[in-house]
Amino acid sequence: EPEVTQTPSHQVTQMGQEVILRCVPISNHLYFYWYRQILGQKVEFLVSFYNNEISEKSEIFDDQFSVERPDGSNFTLKIRSTKLEDSAMYFCASSESPTGSNQPQHFGDGTRLSIL
Amino acid sequence: SQKIEQNSEALNIQEGKTATLTCNYTNYSPAYLQWYRQDPGRGPVFLLLIRENEKEKRKERLKVTFDTTLKQSLFHITASQPADSATYLCALGSNSGYALNFGKGTSLLVTP
Repeated sequence: EPEVTQTPSHQVTQMGQEVILRCVPISNHLYFYWYRQILGQKVEFLVSFYNNEISEKSEIFDDQFSVERPDGSNFTLKIRSTKLEDSAMYFCASSESPTGSNQPQHFGDGTRLSIL
Repeated sequence: SQKIEQNSEALNIQEGKTATLTCNYTNYSPAYLQWYRQDPGRGPVFLLLIRENEKEKRKERLKVTFDTTLKQSLFHITASQPADSATYLCALGSNSGYALNFGKGTSLLVTP
């Protein structure tokens, strides 16, 4: 069964540094998402992306964050000037059609980001 | 503000029994509700979706109900097995957006 893959599985970065988290969504999916989960807390929506542009973003997704689909397969989340509170598990997800249809979101297993 | 509440305490049940998990929401009129399973260190895995005009959905040993008057969804696992032990997340969404709004999840432990 096709799956969403994320790399790296664990990223350790010094505070203030930039980090790029990478995702390969399922190949025929058109809608892409990033979520984060701080340890012990709920999964929180960050951003959705369709047709090479952001379709929706949350209050968490401020100017520190950006997303890109640099080629036909990768989907990246960049965090500039990381802060301690950015430490979390970051999940990428994709769906064949918009959420709300009968198509679910398929999640990767996440990148654990640790800011020191 | 919108709130989604799931049983904060872990649910422990014996193998073979039916597990029932609750998802309540306030200040929200979702168009649909999804249930996901999450194992430690893994991403959520989709289980079922139910729309606001549907009262019940079934898939194998799983059943979900959606009561928009009570603002509640119930998720049932019948004939539970130790392999069903995981955290179960409910997630709400609207037709006007792309985001899933998750609850914090309920941990289920099925003992032999």
